Amino acid sequence: DQQVKQNSPSLSVQEGRISILNCDYTNSMFDYFLWYKKYPAEGPTFLISISSIKDKNEDGRFTVFLNKSAKHLSLHIVPSQPGDSAVYFCAASPSNDYKLSFGAGTTVTVRA
Amino acid sequence: KAGVTQTPRYLIKTRGQQVTLSCSPISGHRSVSWYQQTPGQGLQFLFEYFSETQRNKGNFPGRFSGRQFSNSRSEMNVSTLELGDSALYLCASSLSPGLAEYEQYFGPGTRLTVT
Repeated sequence: DQQVKQNSPSLSVQEGRISILNCDYTNSMFDYFLWYKKYPAEGPTFLISISSIKDKNEDGRFTVFLNKSAKHLSLHIVPSQPGDSAVYFCAASPSNDYKLSFGAGTTVTVRA
Repeated sequence: KAGVTQTPRYLIKTRGQQVTLSCSPISGHRSVSWYQQTPGQGLQFLFEYFSETQRNKGNFPGRFSGRQFSNSRSEMNVSTLELGDSALYLCASSLSPGLAEYEQYFGPGTRLTVT
């Protein structure tokens, strides 16, 4: 069963605007969350993470928000750039376990 | 520093055969994890090795197995291949288990096609 869900398989956004990617999880044991970015023919690369003791983590143009009560997290990319066009995966794990559960991914296309 | 390398990059096998995939982690990394990526399913965790010991295993049948060598290199084996095993197999390495402190670095993957 899919414990991490990314319900939007794709997202198209204008360059310079905000991209918002959403992720929902069902396992209440998850307390560490990550976003990965993947280009074709490459492995995923780590983007940003957040632990459950926080509700927001920011790194440059990337901000992750966590709503534990709703079991929901989101990734904001501001401003979106053409190089951000990629597949974005949400992942989660209990912090004392090393088994990441991934969502199915959201393909982001940034239009010039 | 060289990244995670996986060999071969592409592989075509026939149903019923077996296959072995190889992963060389980043120098100094001792933890290696394997994932299967299929369209619409995201990445599914297969197993994780640290110091030659399997520490974690995902929900895959026993046809999927792996091992880790003393130099941290890892192999995974799939026996009696099925059409549904066609996927991208990704390996990730980390300095040590424990997500809070150590990030996983992924290799480019091995694309396995079963016909």
